[in-house]
Amino acid sequence: AQSVTQPDIHITVSEGASLELRCNYSYGATPYLFWYVQSPGQGLQLLLKYFSGDTLVQGIKGFEAEFKRSQSSFNLRKPSVHWSDAAEYFCAVGAGGTSYGKLTFGQGTILTVHP
Amino acid sequence: DTAVSQTPKYLVTQMGNDKSIKCEQNLGHDTMYWYKQDSKKFLKIMFSYNNKELIINETVPNRFSPKSPDKAHLNLHINSLELGDSAVYFCASSNRRVGLGSPLHFGNGTRLTVT
Repeated sequence: AQSVTQPDIHITVSEGASLELRCNYSYGATPYLFWYVQSPGQGLQLLLKYFSGDTLVQGIKGFEAEFKRSQSSFNLRKPSVHWSDAAEYFCAVGAGGTSYGKLTFGQGTILTVHP
Repeated sequence: DTAVSQTPKYLVTQMGNDKSIKCEQNLGHDTMYWYKQDSKKFLKIMFSYNNKELIINETVPNRFSPKSPDKAHLNLHINSLELGDSAVYFCASSNRRVGLGSPLHFGNGTRLTVT
């Protein structure tokens, strides 16, 4: 069975500082990986996805993530955080075939940005 | 606006009542989903419909009954509501024909509170 672990429940950074949110997954086949962001009272917005190919993927809002198969990780990064990035971030792994769309989510990481 | 929209945004009701949540997407997608986010922000898939056909049915009490009148709509009816049903319910859609290149698009959620 697939699973996702986000080791950090809450991260606080200063505006302008760099950011890395950790995500580790467990999946028996080639993983399809996603990062979503959820602002308070809002739905989940897709930041980026990885299916195959280049292991460094670029997303919206200046985010990027790197897939490392040897470490079973898909960490999210941003070189300079803006106050508007404060939100909750979810990593997810997806299945293919008949289970397409069945995403398994991590427990989320809350990002607080100090001015 | 192109989006996944769900109504109502908030739903407060008493135990034992029956309630429905509606979802509509105008993205032209062929697959729709219901996800449940519990009080710890843990997201888990409940159902998925592809062109009005149920394709994913997780271990959900049969008090929950999804209905898809057409591929743009997926409603969720809940009978005999219990305290443990309190959660945020997210509708999502994707284009299964495109395959994994089509990620899930989420609505803004319906916060259900059972008293």
